[in-house]
Amino acid sequence: QQPVQSPQAVILREGEDAVINCSSSKALYSVHWYRQKHGEAPVFLMILLKGGEQKGHEKISASFNEKKQQSSLYLTASQLSYSGTYFCGTPGGPYSGGGADGLTFGKGTHLIIQP
Amino acid sequence: DTGVSQDPRHKITKRGQNVTFRCDPISEHNRLYWYRQTLGQGPEFLTYFQNEAQLEKSRLLSDRFSAERPKGSFSTLEIQRTEQGDSAMYLCASTTTTSGEGEQYFGPGTRLTVT
Repeated sequence: QQPVQSPQAVILREGEDAVINCSSSKALYSVHWYRQKHGEAPVFLMILLKGGEQKGHEKISASFNEKKQQSSLYLTASQLSYSGTYFCGTPGGPYSGGGADGLTFGKGTHLIIQP
Repeated sequence: DTGVSQDPRHKITKRGQNVTFRCDPISEHNRLYWYRQTLGQGPEFLTYFQNEAQLEKSRLLSDRFSAERPKGSFSTLEIQRTEQGDSAMYLCASTTTTSGEGEQYFGPGTRLTVT
């Protein structure tokens, strides 16, 4: 089951905040977040392993609510360099028993930062 | 640490031909993953290895696809009798299970065009 991301796209002005959501219909063991710029490979941002866990990475942070089977990525005071497509990935698709296996990614959220 | 490398970066082939891609993971990374990504979609998991053992293969993966990692270092992905629907970016990623949290580091990808 592919995780569902929302919104599909966000357009912000530099300095504004954004929230990207990722939800799943199945139990989540962890959530991985990646950013991909056009024509480049996905770049790892962070992993959330436990329910209720929060992490921060520069001005990008995330939360993971295991009970609600969802995660949110928070981008504060956005910079031009934050533009790209953000993907959440969850291990253990329909072909797996879970754990640190191949990731099932959502369709992505396109983030455009305007000066 | 030079990162994950993939070769070739681009491949154009005619329908029905066989193609082979190579991935060199980050040294000492024992897990290696193959994904496929089409325009506007997130990476789709294909298969992964731990050392030389292929631990998981997506049910979505056609029998025309085969992957190997004979010495637990580099890996190859072969597509036999290519079809136009195989046109995509093929991404390789690696991680280690001995440290970190399972973050996957992606290579630049091989873009396959089947004409």
